[in-house]
Amino acid sequence: AQKVTQAQTEISVVEKEDVTLDCVYETRDTTYYLFWYKQPPSGELVFLIRRNSFDEQNEISGRYSWNFQKSTSSFNFTITASQVVDSAVYFCALSEAETSYDKVIFGPGTSLSVIP
Amino acid sequence: EAEVAQSPRYKITEKSQAVAFWCDPISGHATLYWYRQILGQGPELLVQFQDESVVDDSQLPKDRFSAERLKGVDSTLKIQPAELGDSAMYLCASSEHRGNTEAFFGQGTRLTVV
Repeated sequence: AQKVTQAQTEISVVEKEDVTLDCVYETRDTTYYLFWYKQPPSGELVFLIRRNSFDEQNEISGRYSWNFQKSTSSFNFTITASQVVDSAVYFCALSEAETSYDKVIFGPGTSLSVIP
Repeated sequence: EAEVAQSPRYKITEKSQAVAFWCDPISGHATLYWYRQILGQGPELLVQFQDESVVDDSQLPKDRFSAERLKGVDSTLKIQPAELGDSAMYLCASSEHRGNTEAFFGQGTRLTVV
């Protein structure tokens, strides 16, 4: 069965610190997508990234970077030089080819607080 | 910028009453999702539409929940009768086509059942 684990329930960091949010997934499918979403206090989920299971190349987008390691089934997310606006709940998610990628399984989320 | 519209933003209802939520996806998006997010948890898919057809409603409690997308555009999710355990955020999302290439979410409806 597919499953997404985000072991960190809450993280607090001081502004300008780097922070890494962990994500570990389980799947029997060899083809799948991994996602990260941000949910600010306003409630909507904001898409951050999608990564195909065949693409293990790490990605950097501004202050955000993602480390995909198939060997450890992890897809970690790092924010460099955190800012107060980064305070939100972050969800890691997984969808599999078996379900035509339609069914997205979300992790429980990590609540990040960036303190000024 | 195009966005997914949901209304109402907040709803308080008494248990055993009926309640309905509305979602207008981004124009041209064929796939529409309804998710339920219990406080402190990640969203769970309730139902998925492709145009006006239901693709997946396996997680929808059909004894009390119903969803429709009659013209393949906007959608309504109904709960009748509401129970205390239905208190949650109900999120609507849309994507251009199946496969969740990139789903765009609305701001959600926060339901409180008292």
